[in-house]
Amino acid sequence: NAGVTQTPKFQVLKTGQSMTLQCAQDMNHNSMYWYRQDPGMGLRLIYYSASEGTTDKGEVPNGYNVSRLNKREFSLRLESAAPSQTSVYFCASSEWPTSGYEQYFGPGTRLTVT
Amino acid sequence: KNEVEQSPQNLTAQEGEFITINCSYSVGISALHWLQQHPGGGIVSLFMLSSGKKKHGRLIATINIQEKHSSLHITASHPRDSAVYICAVSRGDQFYFGTGTSLTVIP
Repeated sequence: NAGVTQTPKFQVLKTGQSMTLQCAQDMNHNSMYWYRQDPGMGLRLIYYSASEGTTDKGEVPNGYNVSRLNKREFSLRLESAAPSQTSVYFCASSEWPTSGYEQYFGPGTRLTVT
Repeated sequence: KNEVEQSPQNLTAQEGEFITINCSYSVGISALHWLQQHPGGGIVSLFMLSSGKKKHGRLIATINIQEKHSSLHITASHPRDSAVYICAVSRGDQFYFGTGTSLTVIP
């Protein structure tokens, strides 16, 4: 099992460009998450999906959109990138409550917006 | 105010020392999690606990539900333990994260 995979691992964008971060999990989890991690701050939730076809905003959703394409895949889209979106992005999944609330993380995407 | 507070923010230790990282939280929780993140690396789950104590190798995690406090201990620390340790709490399927403790173990 690959667990949670993310692509790309690194990306540099110019202000105003768009891109989609891809995430997939092979653990048959219902819940999937997108977080951003910035220096000196804890992981912050961007969007969350409790199941296929549902998405909810997290703490910092502005400037992002998401798609829960199917149970495996949860993508994050930046429509018009801004320097404030320079960050490391993590996708995660969990199967609450059957797996006891444990969360599994992808390797991260390091995004720089110039 | 963050729901999860960790201390210290940074910690430097000599190899072999006993290390303690503390975590306090202010919300009701389903479980508390300790995560490890190596420089430039991904995040892995070390422990998930809702009561008492868990041990895995040289790592021990404890939680006091009444005091809303948890500690992560590392015995006989080693340079490979150098990483950021993150405390998180879950409430159902929602997670809240501390800002992490950066640990450096010097040979």
